[in-house]
Amino acid sequence: GENVEQHPSTLSVQEGDSAVIKCTYSDSASNYFPWYKQELGKRPQLIIDIRSNVGEKKDQRIAVTLNKTAKHFSLHITETQPEDSAVYFCAASIRSGGGADGLTFGKGTHLIIQP
Amino acid sequence: KAGVTQTPRYLIKTRGQQVTLSCSPISGHRSVSWYQQTPGQGLQFLFEYFSETQRNKGNFPGRFSGRQFSNSRSEMNVSTLELGDSALYLCASSPGTSSNEQFFGPGTRLTVL
Repeated sequence: GENVEQHPSTLSVQEGDSAVIKCTYSDSASNYFPWYKQELGKRPQLIIDIRSNVGEKKDQRIAVTLNKTAKHFSLHITETQPEDSAVYFCAASIRSGGGADGLTFGKGTHLIIQP
Repeated sequence: KAGVTQTPRYLIKTRGQQVTLSCSPISGHRSVSWYQQTPGQGLQFLFEYFSETQRNKGNFPGRFSGRQFSNSRSEMNVSTLELGDSALYLCASSPGTSSNEQFFGPGTRLTVL
């Protein structure tokens, strides 16, 4: 089955700096890659996703890049703010005409924004 | 639209008992997926239901089962509870067809004593 590795497990950056979280996946058939943000005691929230027919997607301060050949994708957060502090999860799944397989998640990155 | 809801939010059971958790998806969404979240194993996929049929399944023992009703509401059952079943159980709602964006509910925190 699919295996998703996520690095780093903890990332501390100064407020205003950029943060980058990287994930690799094992199944070349995976074609959907979402990122979730989970604050303490709350549900995971979808913040951005990318499909395999696209190399990059951006939404304000957040961007995701995908390299299908190397089987890795990354989350980029620019101009970080205190409210960006949370645990971020990457995931991968296979989407076919009959629907999507379950998401396989990375272990998460605890992002800490230092004031 | 109202978000995904789960009941109950907290549950305490003892080993050997069984438990049923409920999930109501976003109106119009036909797919419900269930995940287990623990500090050690992270988020793990249990199963997915679409139009009352289990469409995909993760690597969990048969003690974990589920079903979906005609109104897309879903229930998850765990029989013969073990201490290791203590976790946050999350359900996620998705349109189920052209989109596989999944939106999570608040979860049910299950503690097995």
